[in-house]
Amino acid sequence: TQLLEQSPQFLSIQEGENLTVYCNSSSVFSSLQWYRQEPGEGPVLLVTVVTGGEVKKLKRLTFQFGDARKDSSLHITAAQPGDTGLYLCAGDSREGFKTIFGAGTRLFVKA
Amino acid sequence: DTEVTQTPKHLVMGMTNKKSLKCEQHMGHRAMYWYKQKAKKPPELMFVYSYEKLSINESVPSRFSPECPNSSLLNLHLHALQPEDSALYLCASSQGRGALTDTQYFGPGTRLTVL
Repeated sequence: TQLLEQSPQFLSIQEGENLTVYCNSSSVFSSLQWYRQEPGEGPVLLVTVVTGGEVKKLKRLTFQFGDARKDSSLHITAAQPGDTGLYLCAGDSREGFKTIFGAGTRLFVKA
Repeated sequence: DTEVTQTPKHLVMGMTNKKSLKCEQHMGHRAMYWYKQKAKKPPELMFVYSYEKLSINESVPSRFSPECPNSSLLNLHLHALQPEDSALYLCASSQGRGALTDTQYFGPGTRLTVL
């Protein structure tokens, strides 16, 4: 069974701090996605990583895909209150059309 | 344009009502999905349509009935729901079979409350 384990589950930090969220698996994924979701809204796609070792930057967010394509990380520099939300990693399942979701990391950034 | 739209935004219904949720995308995607999401949990897959045909039904109770009238539209018909069905219902779409990476794009969701 393919699983994605996210850590930490919850993170509360002060504005301006840096943080890293991890998404780990024992399975290889052809790609991984990171989404951010606010309460009562749908997940918004942040990035898709495809190539092992790939690093993508989106303003203050840096995403990395592990060399073996089994893990990924999201690093936020100088977090802001607007970064508050649920961060979900997701990967393509071997069972076509089924996406595997991590349990999510709930981030709260205090002003 | 990577927009998936859903209506209504909020829905309150009694256990004897019949209602429908609607989803639309104009990205030319050929796969569309319904998910159910409870508070503080990741989305749970309910149904997948590929090229307008039902590909996956994750053992969803028959009180939920999906429909895909065409490649841009996806409906979820609701009948005789239970209070435990209250949740955020999400629609998503992706390019579908043959895509190198089948990234899903989500709509804003419908917040359903069953009384």
